[in-house]
Amino acid sequence: DVKVTQSSRYLVKRTGEKVFLECVQDMDHENMFWYRQDPGLGLRLIYFSYDVKMKEKGDIPEGYSVSREKKERFSLILESASTNQTSMYLCASRTGGIVNTEAFFGQGTRLTVV
Amino acid sequence: AQSVTQLDSQVPVFEEAPVELRCNYSSSVSVYLFWYVQYPNQGLQLLLKYLSGSTLVKGINGFEAEFNKSQTSFHLRKPSVHISDTAEYFCAVTPSGNTPLVFGKGTRLSVIA
Repeated sequence: DVKVTQSSRYLVKRTGEKVFLECVQDMDHENMFWYRQDPGLGLRLIYFSYDVKMKEKGDIPEGYSVSREKKERFSLILESASTNQTSMYLCASRTGGIVNTEAFFGQGTRLTVV
Repeated sequence: AQSVTQLDSQVPVFEEAPVELRCNYSSSVSVYLFWYVQYPNQGLQLLLKYLSGSTLVKGINGFEAEFNKSQTSFHLRKPSVHISDTAEYFCAVTPSGNTPLVFGKGTRLSVIA
């Protein structure tokens, strides 16, 4: 069974802290994504990566960075957490190339910044 | 660039009644379309997808959707809903295998006993 695993389901951090959200997939997928989900706004793309050490900005990259040192792992970093980054964060992976398939999602990390 | 509009943010429906959740997209190129479901405090699970071929696509849990290229729509339907179908539903689009999925804002389906 395919799996995308996010390291935490719930996280509470203080304003100004550096926060790491980790995501691991076991499907050998080339593409990985970080989305942010807020009520009434749907899913918005923060960053994505189509290969190891490669990254592309999504629609809302400000205040975030990412790291992909290994194919199976994609980390989202909040350099200095702020209360407006309180949200649900969803990681996804997808095979790349001409084969068009769906994205597989992790369970999500609900982050609260106080 | 692609965009997705889900026309209803909330849809209440009685148990065993039919339901349609509407999705329209805009794109200047051919696209691939998906419907996902999200149960409370869960990630997203694929319901069905349109990649090519028959425009009527059947998915899990009795859902189906019809791709209409001329109307740029991909509406989701179920002939008889259950309480367990209460969830949020997202429509998504992408033009290729190497680009991210673009999501609509979601439709919250509430099934009433």
